[in-house]
Amino acid sequence: GNSVTQMEGPVTLSEEAFLTINCTYTATGYPSLFWYVQYPGEGLQLLLKATKADDKGSNKGFEATYRKETTSFHLEKGSVQVSDSAVYFCARRSASGGSYIPTFGRGTSLIVHP
Amino acid sequence: DAGVIQSPRHEVTEMGQEVTLRCKPISGHNSLFWYRQTMMRGLELLIYFNNNVPIDDSGMPEDRFSAKMPNASFSTLKIQPSEPRDSAVYFCASTSGGAGELFFGEGSRLTVL
Repeated sequence: GNSVTQMEGPVTLSEEAFLTINCTYTATGYPSLFWYVQYPGEGLQLLLKATKADDKGSNKGFEATYRKETTSFHLEKGSVQVSDSAVYFCARRSASGGSYIPTFGRGTSLIVHP
Repeated sequence: DAGVIQSPRHEVTEMGQEVTLRCKPISGHNSLFWYRQTMMRGLELLIYFNNNVPIDDSGMPEDRFSAKMPNASFSTLKIQPSEPRDSAVYFCASTSGGAGELFFGEGSRLTVL
C-alpha cells in the first residue's frame, strides 16, 4: 500500500544550523508530495508541496525536491530559527479508486535552541 | 477567510459518556477527513467523505465510533460510549477535488477520565 517514512525525532539543533529531515515514499502511482508543519496546540498547515518529479517546493526558507529516482522528498533549511520549532509531517496524496487518499508520515519533532 | 472550524476545542468527560465532535469545512470543499492524533500512534485517518458520502471508514476503531455528514457544511464524529483510550486530539480537514493540500482545523482535544 501507500506509505511515507520519515526520520524519527526529536531533531535538536542550535539556531542558524542546517536542517535536513528525511522522507521517503512508496512509488505507487504518481503522487503529489507535501510537507506540513504543526506548531504546539495547532492543527497541521501546509509548508510546501511538489506535484511531479524534479519539482522543488519552497516556503519560509524551507525547500524540498521531488526525487522520483530515490523516491524521496527531504526537507531542508539552511539556517533554522527558534520559531521553526514544531513537528513536521511528510505526506503523499494520489488517486486510488477515484478518491485522493492522503498518507502521512509519523512526524518529526524539531527543537531549535537559541 | 474562515478556515476549518472545529468544536469543542477541549472536552473532558467521564468514561461511558457520549462525545460529539463537530466540524465545519471550508465552503466549496467537497472532501472531508477525520483524523486522530496520539503520541503512540501518530496521525490516524478515521474516515473520509466525498460529496457528503462516506468513502472509507476502515480507520474507525470500532463500533463505538460513528461519523456523519448531513450536508456539505457540517460533519460530526460521535463516540458512544467513550473510554479512556479514546483520549486524543481529533482533527478535521477539508479539501477540494484532486490531489491538493488538506486544510486542517485546530483540533478537538478529548480527555476521557
